[in-house]
Amino acid sequence: GNSVTQMEGPVTLSEEAFLTINCTYTATGYPSLFWYVQYPGEGLQLLLKATKADDKGSNKGFEATYRKETTSFHLEKGSVQVSDSAVYFCALSLPHGGSQGNLIFGKGTKLSVKP
Amino acid sequence: DAGVIQSPRHEVTEMGQEVTLRCKPISGHNSLFWYRQTMMRGLELLIYFNNNVPIDDSGMPEDRFSAKMPNASFSTLKIQPSEPRDSAVYFCASSLANQPQHFGDGTRLSIL
Repeated sequence: GNSVTQMEGPVTLSEEAFLTINCTYTATGYPSLFWYVQYPGEGLQLLLKATKADDKGSNKGFEATYRKETTSFHLEKGSVQVSDSAVYFCALSLPHGGSQGNLIFGKGTKLSVKP
Repeated sequence: DAGVIQSPRHEVTEMGQEVTLRCKPISGHNSLFWYRQTMMRGLELLIYFNNNVPIDDSGMPEDRFSAKMPNASFSTLKIQPSEPRDSAVYFCASSLANQPQHFGDGTRLSIL
């Protein structure tokens, strides 16, 4: 079946440290891949996406590259800030009936950045 | 632009009571999704609609849960009767065609 596995948290970093959150997937067909971020008390917000192999999604200093050969979509940021503290979700989607269909989420990784 | 609007933001009620959660998707979006988030199980898709028609309700936990989408601008998720294990944050999301989903801020439900 289709699934997403991401590293368990929590992850605690100091400000300006390098961030990597690992994400691997299992999917039939050719999924689109996403990172969503959830700030405390809020809903999920799309952070970045990639729709085909070797695409790189980027936003707000975060990057992730769609690696078909390793079925991975690791999230990276060169220098984290306190304001990046949140829960990060990796997700995949397979097209269904013309709509995006079901988003399959990983369990989320909580990131805490200390000043 | 208005995002996905959910109401209420918080609901506290006693077990056995009926609970109705509401969602207004982004205007023009043709797909709507209901999710449940708990510490133990993470984010789970309950049901989704395409053009107001339920496409996949395999995630609905049991017959106590029902969802409707009477028109393109409104959906409800109902739990009757409610139980303490239904306590969770419920999210609604909407999307257009193959575009990413946009989430509401959720309804935090506590069943006592």
